[in-house]
Amino acid sequence: DTAVSQTPKYLVTQMGNDKSIKCEQNLGHDTMYWYKQDSKKFLKIMFSYNNKELIINETVPNRFSPKSPDKAHLNLHINSLELGDSAVYFCASSLPGTSTDTQYFGPGTRLTVL
Amino acid sequence: GNSVTQMEGPVTLSEEAFLTINCTYTATGYPSLFWYVQYPGEGLQLLLKATKADDKGSNKGFEATYRKETTSFHLEKGSVQVSDSAVYFCALISRDSSYKLIFGSGTRLLVRP
Repeated sequence: DTAVSQTPKYLVTQMGNDKSIKCEQNLGHDTMYWYKQDSKKFLKIMFSYNNKELIINETVPNRFSPKSPDKAHLNLHINSLELGDSAVYFCASSLPGTSTDTQYFGPGTRLTVL
Repeated sequence: GNSVTQMEGPVTLSEEAFLTINCTYTATGYPSLFWYVQYPGEGLQLLLKATKADDKGSNKGFEATYRKETTSFHLEKGSVQVSDSAVYFCALISRDSSYKLIFGSGTRLLVRP
């Protein structure tokens, strides 16, 4: 009965590789998000989708490309990984029709780029 | 732009001590305010929230009151436990920030037995 799930939980890879992180929510929410948490625990939004449509796209390198095949899924694909991409990536979703309401977070994916 | 400022940690307390973690915000309009908690090795969990001025959010013995006049949302608990050791994030969301959560820098709390 997991609300927001992410896979994988840990991802270790070499510089230059391409990798994907998957997120799924079973809460019936319309809006999903990706956040990045750096080594100092600082959290910042990267992207947001509402009903498969991109609504927030912060200043993120275009090596990062989100994809939403349906409103329950929001995946993050990263090309040509760099050392600075090492971080914890969190997926979140929020209640339908009320985007100001609570965002529920997944467990996070710890990405380490060697 | 909108922003959230939290007191720097770490905050180290003995069990049963009183906790206050300060949080102030800058925002246009009327944001909703949140406290999230991140236990070691885990994801973010919503601790409490308040959506309008003078609202008090509460959960698990933690409380915070939305003070518009001082633009603050301080987190308090009367008697902390070792299990409260975690990182606490204050955050806001508002219509003019496109509904994205804007987080403070987090405050690490360490409770000693």
